Amino acid sequence: QVQLVESGGGVVRPGGSLRLSCVASGFTFSTYGMHWVRQAPGKGLEWVAFIQYDGSDKYNADSVKGRFTISRDNSRNTVYLQMNSLRAEDTAVYYCAKDLPIGDYWSGYTHYFDFWGQGTLVTVSS
Amino acid sequence: EIVLTQSPGTLSLSPGERATLSCRASQSVSSSSLGWYQQKPGQAPRLLIYGASSRATGIPDRFSGSGSGTDFTLTISRLEPEDFAVYYCQQYGSSPRFTFGPGTKVDIK
Repeated sequence: QVQLVESGGGVVRPGGSLRLSCVASGFTFSTYGMHWVRQAPGKGLEWVAFIQYDGSDKYNADSVKGRFTISRDNSRNTVYLQMNSLRAEDTAVYYCAKDLPIGDYWSGYTHYFDFWGQGTLVTVSS
Repeated sequence: EIVLTQSPGTLSLSPGERATLSCRASQSVSSSSLGWYQQKPGQAPRLLIYGASSRATGIPDRFSGSGSGTDFTLTISRLEPEDFAVYYCQQYGSSPRFTFGPGTKVDIK
């Protein structure tokens, strides 16, 4: 079965950096895009970043552009989120999620999040 | 930027009752790009519906989605005890690429 296990969360001071990891199993990792989605305490869901199956395309939310970088290592079945210049408002549980592409080459694709990890908590505080 | 609004904020119902949740977009969206997720306390979200009306793998048929344009609905035909949770709609677009609604909490009356 599909499993996604995040790690790397913790407490960091404003302006600091952290790298999150997500190890995947139970599916052919190298053929699926991957996402990071976050949820601030008691709040709703916010998409953070997406990386295509082969790393060729990456997209970030405006709120993290220029500060967060998504990457992947298909030989390790792992997706990463490098977070720099962290702010208090980045405090959240960070989930990695597997991409579910719906559609075809001619009409285009829409994307959903069909499997999620249990999340890792990032707290930005002085 | 497309904004998703969900109503009501909280829905108080009893097991066995029908739940109707609304998701409204600030401008017309493709039905193929609208999905619904369920999240229970302390758990990750779970995909219920994609393409406005298609059930994800393993989702019971008491969950159904409908709608088009700017108005979409998630219906739970008969609430089971495990269905009390928060429900989010989500849209895939251009910028930002993925938008979530603020959620509707379904709690026990």
